[in-house]
Amino acid sequence: DTGVSQNPRHKITKRGQNVTFRCDPISEHNRLYWYRQTLGQGPEFLTYFQNEAQLEKSRLLSDRFSAERPKGSFSTLEIQRTEQGDSAMYLCASSLGLPGPQYFGPGTRLLVL
Amino acid sequence: DQQVKQNSPSLSVQEGRISILNCDYTNSMFDYFLWYKKYPAEGPTFLISISSIKDKNEDGRFTVFLNKSAKHLSLHIVPSQPGDSAVYFCAASISNFGNEKLTFGTGTRLTIIP
Repeated sequence: DTGVSQNPRHKITKRGQNVTFRCDPISEHNRLYWYRQTLGQGPEFLTYFQNEAQLEKSRLLSDRFSAERPKGSFSTLEIQRTEQGDSAMYLCASSLGLPGPQYFGPGTRLLVL
Repeated sequence: DQQVKQNSPSLSVQEGRISILNCDYTNSMFDYFLWYKKYPAEGPTFLISISSIKDKNEDGRFTVFLNKSAKHLSLHIVPSQPGDSAVYFCAASISNFGNEKLTFGTGTRLTIIP
């Protein structure tokens, strides 16, 4: 399977804990994006990378959130001191850049208790 | 400020008929538009896109129409099939380097009735 993969698929954590998600993009794609989706809404942009450079961050990405793409391949999204409002589906996508589609992974569903 | 709007939360269509999903946008800088389909517990799947230099793009049963003056796009599915039942999102972007985020609507749930 050469699509975008995300791990874990589900994560349940207690408020105040740190969590880390991983995304592996389609191998030839140099762009990688993170989005967050809550119930009844469309995905909302969080941040994106071209190779290892983080080029844009949404104001949704508070100081508790950090994303990395150390070697321009896979990426991690870490949330520190999780809050119940962080409960959402976290989606990763990759592309060759605009104009062109972004291809999404299956997402990581986070539940903060 | 919702820059991309899908005003119909749901739509039901008979199998074999045409499904028409609508999307409006407010930002005149948007120049690239996409439609995605989403099943529960899965990520969005890319369906079709259109650049602002065109007003129509077709791919099999899917056609996207863009009316720039009205800031409106629509997705036509003909003929509709049971497997088309899903949530459909339109998305828009400004295709400049360094500004590649997609802005999504809130989705329309399409149900195909056998």
